[in-house]
Amino acid sequence: QQQVKQSPQSLIVQKGGISIINCAYENTAFDYFPWYQQFPGKGPALLIAIRPDVSEKKEGRFTISFNKSAKQFSLHIMDSQPGDSATYFCAASQDGGTSYGKLTFGQGTILTVHP
Amino acid sequence: GAGVSQSPSNKVTEKGKDVELRCDPISGHTALYWYRQSLGQGLEFLIYFQGNSAPDKSGLPSDRFSAERTGGSVSTLTIQRTQQEDSAVYLCASSQGQGRGYTFGSGTRLTVV
Repeated sequence: QQQVKQSPQSLIVQKGGISIINCAYENTAFDYFPWYQQFPGKGPALLIAIRPDVSEKKEGRFTISFNKSAKQFSLHIMDSQPGDSATYFCAASQDGGTSYGKLTFGQGTILTVHP
Repeated sequence: GAGVSQSPSNKVTEKGKDVELRCDPISGHTALYWYRQSLGQGLEFLIYFQGNSAPDKSGLPSDRFSAERTGGSVSTLTIQRTQQEDSAVYLCASSQGQGRGYTFGSGTRLTVV
């Protein structure tokens, strides 16, 4: 019930292409869905987040698409750049109750953008 | 401070020794979390602090692991009698509260030899 499944494990994209990473969750009580970007030797950094009352959120080249009925959400990186090469994690949490905003993370996707 | 600070950044210890990992959260952040990241794996929740209390310790793997937070600020994660399977990156994050994004530190890479 607490799992978040992320795919693919790794992704190679050419510069200028679109990178798409998918996540699926089971717990319908989740109500906050962030994406984190992690560079080697650094901690994850919040990239973009969405709540289930909207189906899409866009910030610059990064877009989250959210499908509540399918319990799926995805990250789209438009015009991918070599500097986007990093590990991306999706996550989910349930505010309030006994969950205290504890995040459940996907397994991560290693994105490589070739010049 | 400007960010979450963790120390040491790297720690190599012998099996059976105790280690202490430190986290300095962002000033004013009341929530503090510890996560563990094993090689090629996602982030595994360990413990959550709200102020100085720990309402959720459910992720601590065994009684060899403990953590405390003092003054609503600095937190220490202690691992006693370290084992090789404890080798991982230990990440600390702080937040202004529920529903707010976490800010992670750069982590402590622990290697047990």
